[in-house]
Amino acid sequence: AQSVAQPEDQVNVAEGNPLTVKCTYSVSGNPYLFWYVQYPNRGLQFLLKYITGDNLVKGSYGFEAEFNKSQTSFHLKKPSALVSDSALYFCAVSPNSGGYQKVTFGTGTKLQVIP
Amino acid sequence: DVKVTQSSRYLVKRTGEKVFLECVQDMDHENMFWYRQDPGLGLRLIYFSYDVKMKEKGDIPEGYSVSREKKERFSLILESASTNQTSMYLCASSPTSGSVNEQFFGPGTRLTVL
Repeated sequence: AQSVAQPEDQVNVAEGNPLTVKCTYSVSGNPYLFWYVQYPNRGLQFLLKYITGDNLVKGSYGFEAEFNKSQTSFHLKKPSALVSDSALYFCAVSPNSGGYQKVTFGTGTKLQVIP
Repeated sequence: DVKVTQSSRYLVKRTGEKVFLECVQDMDHENMFWYRQDPGLGLRLIYFSYDVKMKEKGDIPEGYSVSREKKERFSLILESASTNQTSMYLCASSPTSGSVNEQFFGPGTRLTVL
């Protein structure tokens, strides 16, 4: 069975500092990997995805994520955090094996950017 | 822009009532999904549909049913609401083209069952 682990319930970072939100996954074969963000009282918004190719994926709002196959990780990063980045972040995985495959979400990490 | 709308933002129902949650998407997506979101548990898939009148169980289908009579509309039904179904319900849609695609989410319905 596939799974996603987001080991930190909350990450605090000062405005202007780099941020990292961690994600590790387990799936049979190669993965599709996603990051979503949820602002208060809103649905989830897609940030970025990894399908194949370059291990560094760039997404919306200056976010990027690095795929590391040996460590089965897909950490979300941003060089300089903004207060407006404060939100709930979800990592998700699906097997890359043809046809529609179920997407499994992590439990979420709350990012708090401190002014 | 893709727009996914849900019929209610907030809903309060009593135990035993039949509850309908409606979801409509305007981008002609083949796939539609219902999730529930609970603190510490993330998103859990209830049901999904990859075509009109087609449905597949997700991870937690017990106590729920779904209906998809038209491509743009996907309904979640709680036949007899219980207090443990108090949750945030999120609808999503995605196209079918090549790889697994990102999902587009509605704003959510916060359901309280008393």
